[in-house]
Parts: sequence; structure tokens; C-alpha cells
Amino acid sequence: QITLKESGPTLVKPTQTLTLTCTFSGFSLSTSGVGVGWIRQPPGKALEWLALIYWDDDKRYSPSLKSRLTITKDTSKNQVVLTMTNMDPVDTATYYCAHRRRGAVDPWGQGTLVTVSS
Amino acid sequence: QSALTQPASVSGSPGQSITISCTGTSSDVGSYNLVSWYQQHPGKAPKLMIYEGSKRPSGVSNRFSGSKSGNTASLTISGLQAEDEADYYCCSYAGSRGDVFGTGTKVTVL
Repeated sequence: QITLKESGPTLVKPTQTLTLTCTFSGFSLSTSGVGVGWIRQPPGKALEWLALIYWDDDKRYSPSLKSRLTITKDTSKNQVVLTMTNMDPVDTATYYCAHRRRGAVDPWGQGTLVTVSS
Repeated sequence: QSALTQPASVSGSPGQSITISCTGTSSDVGSYNLVSWYQQHPGKAPKLMIYEGSKRPSGVSNRFSGSKSGNTASLTISGLQAEDEADYYCCSYAGSRGDVFGTGTKVTVL
């Protein structure tokens, strides 16, 4: 059974850097074809794809957020870390990580709400 | 990158069929057979309903089906049930740009 869980701060101040950790079990991020992605959803709004890291360390970023995002993996710890710099109130959202394979993300973590406010 | 375009809302009576469209470009939906669809109930994480355009994961009802024509993908729900009332999102692989989600569609069962 694959499970993922996001962890990190629930409140960050504007201009700060957000660091979120996705801890997973039930699969290995060294298996060919496997990836872990990050997606966010502002309250009452649509899903927004953020970033993806593959088993071979190939990384993809949303073009609109690429300058602010970094995704890394620690295969031995079964963790993927997403950092987002220069946080702004518009970045307030629920952030999800998810297992990715064959072009789809499944399953998803429960999500973590991050509020950006001074 | 621009989000894929979906209708804001679609409604239908129990037992009816509805179709949700998802329009992209030749750089995403039109180029790859990697469109997926997700169902999201309020306060819950999204759930995968369709992957690779038309494949259903184990456990997903066969009332859900997916297709694609050109730059537009579609999700059809047949035999609409009250439990199908939710938000639905499409998503497409977009090559070097990663993935892109749709704008989302609220399905209402009348």
C-alpha cells in the first residue's frame, strides 16, 4: 500500500522560504518510471501543478514558478523536499505530494495547509 | 503555462450521462496520450479516476470513461449517481513543462 504525507510549517511570513517534506512508503523512488510530484490548491480554487522529480533525478518545474522552486529527493529516507522562496499571501494553499507513474498522480497525500501572513 | 480549459459546471439528473471537456493545445493534450482525470469531494484529496486517457484504475466504476480527440480530452460519467457530485480536474503531461491541470468542473446531480 502506497502512502504519502506532507509535513512543514502551517504559517510562514511574506518573503520567507517554505520547505515542505513528503515522506512516503510502499514504493521506492529508485524504481524506473516512478516519480513524486507536488500540487497545490488555494482555498476554493483549482489545482495547480508545481514540480516533479523522477527516479533518475530528472526534475520538472512549473514554468511560472520555476525561479522560486527547488525539488530534491533522499531515496534512503523515502523523502522528497520542495522549497519555495519569497512566499507571498497568494501562495496560501493546501500543498499535496503524490506518487506519479504512467503520467498520473496516485495516490495523493492528505495535504497540508500553508498560510502566508505577517 | 496556461491551465487546460474545462467548463465551470456540468449538471445532470440521476441515471443520465454527462461529459466534461478538457481543452489544451498541441503541446500538451494533443501531443501525449497522458491525460488523467481526478475527482475531488469537498475537504478531500483528489482521487484518480482515469489515466493514460482512457484507462481506469482498479476500483473505479466502469461508469467513468475517458477519450481524446485532437487537443480535447473528455470524461463521461454514465448512470449519474448522487455520489458523483464533486469537482473534476483533468491533467495532461506537457513534456519539458511537466504537467498541467485543468481549470476544474463542478458536477451537480439534480
